[in-house]
Amino acid sequence: EVHLVESGGTLVKPGGSLRLSCAASGLSFSSHTMNWVRQAPGKGLEWVSSINSRSSYIIYADSVKGRFTISRDNAKNTLYLLMNSLRAEDTAVYYCVRDQPTRDFSTTYPASWGQGTLVTVST
Amino acid sequence: NFILTQPHSVSASPGKTVTISCTRSSGSIASNYVQWYLQRPGSSPTTVIYENDQRSSGVPDRFSGSIDISSNSASLTISGLKTEDEADYYCHSYHGNTPAFGGGTKLTVL
Repeated sequence: EVHLVESGGTLVKPGGSLRLSCAASGLSFSSHTMNWVRQAPGKGLEWVSSINSRSSYIIYADSVKGRFTISRDNAKNTLYLLMNSLRAEDTAVYYCVRDQPTRDFSTTYPASWGQGTLVTVST
Repeated sequence: NFILTQPHSVSASPGKTVTISCTRSSGSIASNYVQWYLQRPGSSPTTVIYENDQRSSGVPDRFSGSIDISSNSASLTISGLKTEDEADYYCHSYHGNTPAFGGGTKLTVL
């Protein structure tokens, strides 16, 4: 059973920066694609970014491209999200999510979710 | 890009059957696997269905998933509704390598 614990969420002013962390324990971290998914208050789920196991493939949602940077340290079993130029619309609970390969290994899908960390962007 | 459209809300009585749809705006629903997630208030999402129709570990067989090419949509069906099924449900799929979630459906068990 994988266990994901996010941290780093806090109140930050517009234009500010923040780094989120996600510590993984249990089943293997280093061999899985990882994601950040966020949820604004009272809203639905929004995919933010994904990084494959070797950090060789990274993608971002258009809403955060150029402002957010995803990274991972497999030696520390930790996923990161560096968020710059924060805006009010970035206010959300940010979830760390581990992918699981499909049975035919053609792709992966989000499978295991952390408890989330709240980021509030406000003056 | 593509959009996954879900009804905002559905409701049904205990013991009944309800179906939540997820319609893909462009590209074939069969081109990428569809997943379904359940989220209760104040909790993280959990996986209910993966790869269109596979139940995640511990999910009762009252939950089933399917896709319909003719309507370009996926469906989550819950039979024998229980009050504990009341939650928000989200579908998920990919367009190429880009993932997306549906807007979510609030299930109320009356």
